[in-house]
Amino acid sequence: EVQLEESGGGLVQPGGSLRLSCAASGFTFSSHAMTWVRQAPGQGLEWVSTVFPGGDNTYYADSVKGRFTISRDNSKNTLDLQMNSLRADDTAIYYCAGYCSSTNCYRYWGRGTLVTVSS
Amino acid sequence: DIVMTQSPDSLAVSLGERATIRCKSSQTVLYSSDNNNYLAWYQQKAGQPPKLLIYWASTRESGVPDRFSGSGSGTDFTLTISSLQAEDVAVYYCHQYYGTPHTFGQGTKLEIK
Repeated sequence: EVQLEESGGGLVQPGGSLRLSCAASGFTFSSHAMTWVRQAPGQGLEWVSTVFPGGDNTYYADSVKGRFTISRDNSKNTLDLQMNSLRADDTAIYYCAGYCSSTNCYRYWGRGTLVTVSS
Repeated sequence: DIVMTQSPDSLAVSLGERATIRCKSSQTVLYSSDNNNYLAWYQQKAGQPPKLLIYWASTRESGVPDRFSGSGSGTDFTLTISSLQAEDVAVYYCHQYYGTPHTFGQGTKLEIK
């Protein structure tokens, strides 16, 4: 059974930092691109960042570029998102998701972790 | 960025009836080199993560009931639920993965009439 479990969310003040992690199991993690998608309260889905299987190709939404860093450890089957200079509009549930094998849809999803940026 | 626009924003359909959700992209998501539409549909039930239903615009994900179908090409796409069941109450999103950034439609909330 595929499992993705996010952790690291919480309440942080504006300008602060958080590191999210996602532990993967039940599929060949090292073969799949991985992504972070967020959902602000009551809102739709927003792509945040993607890392390709080798870890060397990374992509970011303009809204987080320069503030967030995605990384992965294929030896531990983990995906991370380092979030710095957090703003109120970063408040959201953050989902990690695994790409489909044959294309760039998102097949595997975690349950998400809530990040709240507030003073 | 490719803008994805869904219609309607919300929809109420009687049990057993057909539900149709549309998605329009601001530019084509049909990749000419492989003739595939880089378009997916997801279902999100309350308090749950999204679930992949359809990819390549019309390929049903394994385990998804065959009452769900996707169609369309280029810039205009449709998700159809042929006979609505109570468990289909959810928000549905289209998603283009043709270009970076990947973008989603705003969502369509489907309810029972």
